[in-house]
Amino acid sequence: EVQLVESGGGLVKPGSSLKLSCVASGFTFSSYGMHWIRQAPKKGLEWIALIYYDSSNKYYADSVKGRFTISRDNSKNTLYLEMNSLRSEDTAMYYCAKWVMDAWGQGASVTVSS
Amino acid sequence: DVVLTQTPPTLSATIGQSVSISCRSSQSLLDSDGDTYLNWLLQRPGQSPQLLIYSVSNLESGVPNRFSGSGSETDFTLKISGVEAEDLGVYYCMQATHAPLTFGSGTKLEIK
Repeated sequence: EVQLVESGGGLVKPGSSLKLSCVASGFTFSSYGMHWIRQAPKKGLEWIALIYYDSSNKYYADSVKGRFTISRDNSKNTLYLEMNSLRSEDTAMYYCAKWVMDAWGQGASVTVSS
Repeated sequence: DVVLTQTPPTLSATIGQSVSISCRSSQSLLDSDGDTYLNWLLQRPGQSPQLLIYSVSNLESGVPNRFSGSGSETDFTLKISGVEAEDLGVYYCMQATHAPLTFGSGTKLEIK
């Protein structure tokens, strides 16, 4: 069974940093690109980052470019999202998802508030 | 960025009724490789989204065949033939033909 489990969310102050993790199981993690997608409270879905299976390419939404970094460790079956200079508008549930969106994690909640 | 416009924003249906959701794109979603990367997802209350349909009309494994997708270029439709109680939630179309990936604003399906 494919599983994606996010962790690392929390309540942080504006301007601070946070690193999310997503541990994958049930499929060959090293063969698939992975996404981060977020959902602000009561809002729709927003794609924010993609990393290729071998980390050769990374893409970001304009809203997070220069502040967020996606990375992965295939030896640990783990995807990461390092978030810096956090703003109140980054408050959201953060999901990791497999390449064609056929598997999603349960989400990690990030709240940015003073 | 590609804008996906979903209609209607909300839909109320009785059990057994057939319903359709429209997704219109601001650009053609036909990729140079010949595929059209338009997917449909369902987010049930309190849950993560799940993939229903990929590449316009392909049913994801395990998804009931009362769900079907159709369309081309800029106009796409998700049809549910015989709504069941478990179908309530918010339906999203999303495109992966053009960077950045984008989602529609969602259609909330309520059961009468």
